Amino acid sequence: DTEVTQTPKHLVMGMTNKKSLKCEQHMGHRAMYWYKQKAKKPPELMFVYSYEKLSINESVPSRFSPECPNSSLLNLHLHALQPEDSALYLCASSSRAGTDTQYFGPGTRLTVL
Amino acid sequence: GEDVEQSLFLSVREGDSSVINCTYTDSSSTYLYWYKQEPGAGLQLLTYIFSNMDMKQDQRLTVLLNKKDKHLSLRIADTQTGDSAIYFCADHTGNTPLVFGKGTRLSVIA
Repeated sequence: DTEVTQTPKHLVMGMTNKKSLKCEQHMGHRAMYWYKQKAKKPPELMFVYSYEKLSINESVPSRFSPECPNSSLLNLHLHALQPEDSALYLCASSSRAGTDTQYFGPGTRLTVL
Repeated sequence: GEDVEQSLFLSVREGDSSVINCTYTDSSSTYLYWYKQEPGAGLQLLTYIFSNMDMKQDQRLTVLLNKKDKHLSLRIADTQTGDSAIYFCADHTGNTPLVFGKGTRLSVIA
C-alpha cells in the first residue's frame, strides 16, 4: 500500500481564519513533506520532517506552521493567509529523507478569499 | 543548483507512442523519477530509474537514461486518452530535495 491521504480535499477560508490541513500515511515512512503547487507549475517544497523533527524549512512565511505529532501524521496550520496563498497543497512521504522515493497524496485545494 | 528541463507540450494520436524528454544538469544524480498528474489530482509515481541503469521497462512504459548527455526519456506505448495528463521529470541528488521539471502536458487525440 503506497497511499498518502489528505483532508480536506477542498478548503475555502478568509484572510482572518485559522484552519489546518492534515496528512496521514501508514507505510512506516519516517520522512514527510509539504509542497505548494500553483496552477501550471511544478510543486515547490515548503517543509521536510525527518523522524518527526523539522529538517528543512524553505523560507516559508510564518503564517504557515507545520506540525508532526507522530510518525504517521503531518499537519499544516494556516493563519492570516493572503489570496496569493491559494494553491494545491500536497503532502508526500518517503522511507527516509534524502534519496528515497516520495509518494504523494491527492492534495488539498485551498482558496483564500 | 540543479536544473531539470522538459518541453511543455506534446500531442499524440490515440494508439501511437508518446515520448517525453527531460534533461538535467547534475552529473551526480542518483535517482530520476517520472510522476503523472491528472487535472485536480496529486502526483502519481509512474516509475523511476537508478543512475547506474540505462533502461527500465514496466508494461507500456519504457524509461531510457543517457548519463553522458544527462538525458532521460519516458516512452508510453499505445497511448490512450487516459494518459492525457502533465508528466513531471524529477531528480534526486544526494540528500538534496527533489528537483522537478516544469512538466510536459500530454494531449491524446482520439
